[in-house]
Amino acid sequence: ETGVTQTPRHLVMGMTNKKSLKCEQHLGHNAMYWYKQSAKKPLELMFVYNFKEQTENNSVPSRFSPECPNSSHLFLHLHTLQPEDSALYLCASSQEPGHPFAVELFFGEGSRLTVL
Amino acid sequence: AQTVTQSQPEMSVQEAETVTLSCTYDTSESDYYLFWYKQPPSRQMILVIRQEAYKQQNATENRFSVNFQKAAKSFSLKISDSQLGDAAMYFCAFNFGNEKLTFGTGTRLTIIP
Repeated sequence: ETGVTQTPRHLVMGMTNKKSLKCEQHLGHNAMYWYKQSAKKPLELMFVYNFKEQTENNSVPSRFSPECPNSSHLFLHLHTLQPEDSALYLCASSQEPGHPFAVELFFGEGSRLTVL
Repeated sequence: AQTVTQSQPEMSVQEAETVTLSCTYDTSESDYYLFWYKQPPSRQMILVIRQEAYKQQNATENRFSVNFQKAAKSFSLKISDSQLGDAAMYFCAFNFGNEKLTFGTGTRLTIIP
């Protein structure tokens, strides 16, 4: 099993669809993250979960809804998306999110989302 | 504001040669961690090297080393003896004392056989 697994790898959806992205980590980490990666832009942090509790919502539109049922699983529910939401969505985990100055992230391969 | 700048969107290097990727940042913090991440075409981003800001000695990991100039707020990555497998996007990133990493826009490195 790879450390962080994301499914699906590719997703095409219409603006009225509802879909979900899934992330699973097998590293025993306590924190999980969603990042958005768009071309020629820095990675944008979307959400952070620490021990299943959301600790960061970086002004993400409500059409993105995260869910973290336990420390190993993270979902991103998608609803009524816009074409500008097309991007690579990366999931990551880390061992000690609150440990000062020492965050090391372990990433999944990403889910490539295309919104038509 | 805390920012990270990678001014080289693309770089190329001949195989077996050395290449340096640049990164500058702006912060008022005095203690922080700095990272270089590599994202190959398969897309899984992996950590290449890490540097603690309070350490004067530059970090080294095999063929990868950093040139950390704290006063200049510069953090460059040097890749020696470049190999075809080094082709990837490289991102520098900083942790300024919280749980969030701030990333640059990345540099796409091409290795010329």
